[in-house]
Amino acid sequence: EVQLVESGGDLVQPGRSLRLSCTASGFRFADYAMNWVRQAPGKGLEWVSLIRSGAYGGTTENTASMRGRFIISRDDSKNIAYLQMNSLKSDDTAVYYCARNREGHGSSPIDLWGQGALVTVSS
Amino acid sequence: QSALTQEASVSGTVGQTVTLSCTGDRNNVASYAVGWYQQISHGAPKSVMFGDSLPSGIPDRFSGSKSGTTASLTISGLQPEDEADYYCSTWDFSLRAQVFGGGTRLTVL
Repeated sequence: EVQLVESGGDLVQPGRSLRLSCTASGFRFADYAMNWVRQAPGKGLEWVSLIRSGAYGGTTENTASMRGRFIISRDDSKNIAYLQMNSLKSDDTAVYYCARNREGHGSSPIDLWGQGALVTVSS
Repeated sequence: QSALTQEASVSGTVGQTVTLSCTGDRNNVASYAVGWYQQISHGAPKSVMFGDSLPSGIPDRFSGSKSGTTASLTISGLQPEDEADYYCSTWDFSLRAQVFGGGTRLTVL
């Protein structure tokens, strides 16, 4: 079955770090660009980060407001994409979705979503 | 403020045809394929359209189109199970980011 499964969501104190994982199965993970998209309570979808496939150098893009705090990476040998989140703030409280682009560059629509991981930042 | 503009809400009756719009600019909608995503009761989003291509398993009541800087998702023969929030997104080459619309809440009366 083609799927993405997020893990690592948790309750964390402001200023701390957390790493999310996205485990892919059922398709050739290395061929696709991967994204993290978040949704704060009662709000819409907000794109966070992109990592391209190895064919495009595995380069990354990040939304300006989170640049420097959030780092996306991938391990194609394990079929996992990661999101390292540092210096977390209460505004980062959201469900974080892993999402796949239709190709390796990341300029195509998303065609596959995970079920989401809840991150709550609170003291 | 979302980079793409969608109607806040749209409603229709069972069997009716409704069209949702997604407006951007030459940096995004006019230049790249637009994706449409259905989210029911704040569950995980599901892709229902890539440009004008229908994903596997999505009924052909859904169709997509684009004209200039505006993309559209049309749902014909509206069904109660179509009630959901719908989001659009596409790549923006100026921002180097995947940009989303604010979402449209579709209510089936």
